[in-house]
Amino acid sequence: QVQLVQSGAEVKKPGSSVKVSCKASGGTFSNYAVSWVRQAPGQGLEWMGGIIPMFGTANYAQKFQGRVTITADKSTSTAYMELSSLRSEDTAVYYCARAPLLIIIVPSAIFGWFDPWGQGTLVTVSS
Amino acid sequence: QSALTQPASVSGSPGQSITISCTGTSSDVGAYNYVSWYQQHLGKAPKLMIYDVTKRPSGISNRFSGSKSGNTASLTISGLQADDEADYSCCSYAGNYTLLFGGGTKLTVL
Repeated sequence: QVQLVQSGAEVKKPGSSVKVSCKASGGTFSNYAVSWVRQAPGQGLEWMGGIIPMFGTANYAQKFQGRVTITADKSTSTAYMELSSLRSEDTAVYYCARAPLLIIIVPSAIFGWFDPWGQGTLVTVSS
Repeated sequence: QSALTQPASVSGSPGQSITISCTGTSSDVGAYNYVSWYQQHLGKAPKLMIYDVTKRPSGISNRFSGSKSGNTASLTISGLQADDEADYSCCSYAGNYTLLFGGGTKLTVL
C-alpha cells in the first residue's frame, strides 16, 4: 500500500522560495497524478496544482500561476512543489496527495479524488 | 475561482443523522460527477470518505453517504458517533484540469 512521505518543516524569509518533496513509498506514481494542497492556520484546504508524472504535465490553480512550480522525478517516484516570492500569508501546512487519472487527454488528464495523502509539511514564512 | 460553499459548522447527537452541503456552480459541482469528501481530525492529514459523488472507498463505513442535486453536493452521516467529530471538506473538478475545495465544515457531536 503506497504511502507518501514528505520533507520536513521549513522556516523561510519573505521573498524567498521553498521546495517541498513528496516520495512514494511502497508504490509509484505510475498512472496517477500528484497534487499539492495547502491549509493555512485555521483555514480550509486549498488546491494549488498537480502534475501527471508520466506526461510531465502540470496544471495550476489560477491563484498560484507564476509563483508555483510542480515537478516530478519518475525514477525516484518523488514529486516536488516549489513556491516562490513567499509572504507571510503562505504560512501553511502543505500536503501532497495522489489522484487517479479519470480521463486522459494527452498530454494532460482530468484527475479525481485524493488518496492517499502525505503527512504534511509546515512552512513558516517570517522575518 | 471561489471556493465551494459549506456551512461553517453543524452538530448532532450520537445516533442522529446530519447532512453537510457543498454548493458550487454550473461550472464545477453542477457540471461534473467528480465530487469527493474528506474527513480531517485536528492535526491530521485529510482522509478520503466519498468520491465520484456517491462512492465509498474500501474500509469506509456505510454510515457515510454522498449525493448531488444541481449545483449542490451533500454528505450525510447517519448513526453519529463521537469519533465522527472532525472537519469535513468537499472538493469538485472545476474544468480546465483544476479542482476546487469547499471552505470546510466543523462537525460537533454533542
